[in-house]
Amino acid sequence: SQQGEEDPQALSIQEGENATMNCSYKTSINNLQWYRQNSGRGLVHLILIRSNEREKHSGRLRVTLDTSKKSSSLLITASRAADTASYFCAPRDNYGQNFVFGPGTRLSVLP
Amino acid sequence: DTEVTQTPKHLVMGMTNKKSLKCEQHMGHRAMYWYKQKAKKPPELMFVYSYEKLSINESVPSRFSPECPNSSLLNLHLHALQPEDSALYLCASSQSQLAITDTQYFGPGTRLTVL
Repeated sequence: SQQGEEDPQALSIQEGENATMNCSYKTSINNLQWYRQNSGRGLVHLILIRSNEREKHSGRLRVTLDTSKKSSSLLITASRAADTASYFCAPRDNYGQNFVFGPGTRLSVLP
Repeated sequence: DTEVTQTPKHLVMGMTNKKSLKCEQHMGHRAMYWYKQKAKKPPELMFVYSYEKLSINESVPSRFSPECPNSSLLNLHLHALQPEDSALYLCASSQSQLAITDTQYFGPGTRLTVL
């Protein structure tokens, strides 16, 4: 298993703006997943991107993957107050069986 | 039903108490997980059950005792806890621990306070 490192650790934006957060990892992966956690709640799976994909969309979410740089980014467009949460990436290689979550990005969307 | 339920939502216990946390899913998932999460930290894996057998114990102290009575239920028995064990305890499930594209479904957590 390997751990992703999210960046920045904290991000504050105004409602309606776009939010971008990044994830870096160390070794080659099979896929990378993003999860969201609202304060004091469980994590929710957002999106999975496979190593042979470069970009994936889901609603207002856009995820990109650059395997040469070992990094991924999550873009949230037209942010809302309800997007205020911590966001975690989970890189999955072909050997690790479990998720190891990094410190996450704490996003605050201000009204 | 894509929900993982956890009870209780909140639990306050003394250091000499014995209590249990419960987790249930009806998605037919064969892997279930316990995580511990301290404030402003990521979830840390404690235990994994795969096909009702304990697959992984991440060197968790014996005062935490997991149990998987059947494929839908997961318990965490607590005994002689310390104040530093106060945290949010999250349960999760997934179709199979071994599937690389497996995604995890999390419950809302139990907020545990040890006095």
